[in-house]
Amino acid sequence: DQQVKQNSPSLSVQEGRISILNCDYTNSMFDYFLWYKKYPAEGPTFLISISSIKDKNEDGRFTVFLNKSAKHLSLHIVPSQPGDSAVYFCAASSAGGTSYGKLTFGQGTILTVHP
Amino acid sequence: EPEVTQTPSHQVTQMGQEVILRCVPISNHLYFYWYRQILGQKVEFLVSFYNNEISEKSEIFDDQFSVERPDGSNFTLKIRSTKLEDSAMYFCASKVVMNTEAFFGQGTRLTVV
Repeated sequence: DQQVKQNSPSLSVQEGRISILNCDYTNSMFDYFLWYKKYPAEGPTFLISISSIKDKNEDGRFTVFLNKSAKHLSLHIVPSQPGDSAVYFCAASSAGGTSYGKLTFGQGTILTVHP
Repeated sequence: EPEVTQTPSHQVTQMGQEVILRCVPISNHLYFYWYRQILGQKVEFLVSFYNNEISEKSEIFDDQFSVERPDGSNFTLKIRSTKLEDSAMYFCASKVVMNTEAFFGQGTRLTVV
């Protein structure tokens, strides 16, 4: 089941530069997309989300872009800080049918921000 | 800030034994979930619970698994007869309405030996 894919297992960025994490999905029923950050031995922490009626959502240093026609979303972190180093998961859900809001996760991208 | 809490943080059990993983979701939330993450793999959905009943379950969630919300605050996941392949991090999550962010607990690491 590869409905949500993060094709880059890792990304290394210099402090102060932009980090861009990518995510692709195949299920056109998805209408709500989220990014989570996860440290080892902790639960995922919500970062930012976007509804399918929008193409951009910003929250401080984090911006999520959604391209519905390409079934692609990305997370931009500007400027990147060493504390941003973690695993980033893209997730998607659908309000329709019998879904009840379950999240389908990508495989995750390990972001390392170097001082 | 309200948070989802899970106990225990780590559980070691013998194959074939029953385990109960416990969660206290955020108090005004209505939707409850269990997910798991096998080491090195993605976070996978197990089951959702709404209005005091299972609303959806994955093919992983077979007859060995059950969930309960016995007292309006706790939300438990029971595995009746654990197998080696049940070893994973188990995460409880809750959300207030359907298409909003889910808040996750810190997880229970289950090790089956």
